[in-house]
Amino acid sequence: AQSVTQLDSQVPVFEEAPVELRCNYSSSVSVYLFWYVQYPNQGLQLLLKYLSGSTLVKGINGFEAEFNKSQTSFHLRKPSVHISDTAEYFCAVKSGTCYGKLTFGQGTILTVHP
Amino acid sequence: DAGITQSPRYKITETGRQVTLMCHQTWSHSYMFWYRQDLGHGLRLIYYSAAADITDKGEVPDGYVVSRSKTENFPLTLESATRSQTSVYFCASINDGGAGQPQHFGDGTRLSIL
Repeated sequence: AQSVTQLDSQVPVFEEAPVELRCNYSSSVSVYLFWYVQYPNQGLQLLLKYLSGSTLVKGINGFEAEFNKSQTSFHLRKPSVHISDTAEYFCAVKSGTCYGKLTFGQGTILTVHP
Repeated sequence: DAGITQSPRYKITETGRQVTLMCHQTWSHSYMFWYRQDLGHGLRLIYYSAAADITDKGEVPDGYVVSRSKTENFPLTLESATRSQTSVYFCASINDGGAGQPQHFGDGTRLSIL
């Protein structure tokens, strides 16, 4: 079985400040890791993914995430946020044996204040 | 345009009624998924399908029925709606269930049951 925990349900931050959204996972097998973003009244859009190789993954909109196998974490970071980054962010995990099924975390609402 | 579309986008119905949510994808993806999104729970898998005429239960299947007679369509039916099924429902698809490919999501159906 696999599970995902997003450690913060809400993260308020001021514009141009750095931000980190935390994600921990558990799985007994090798995994693929994803971060999705959801803007109001929209579906989920892929931000970035980790499949293998370099543990630092760069995504769209200036976001990046670092895979840490020993700590089973996949934290999302951005050095300087914009108002337009206000959204809900989901971490998700998939193992190669789960036929494409994703397990999602509970979500983190990022609110960027001017 | 190619993509995944859900209909209706918004639906209000009464308890005990049957309601069907539609999902259509134009990529000919093999795998399709239905999730529900509730505050504090993230997205939870209701049902998924690996191909036409192949479906299986996810994490929260009770009260839902699915079918997949054609690869491109994956309708979700609530046979007798209950208030606890008020939620936002997302359909997703992916071509290969085993590899690290991301799922593609529709824009969701917001369902309210009175």
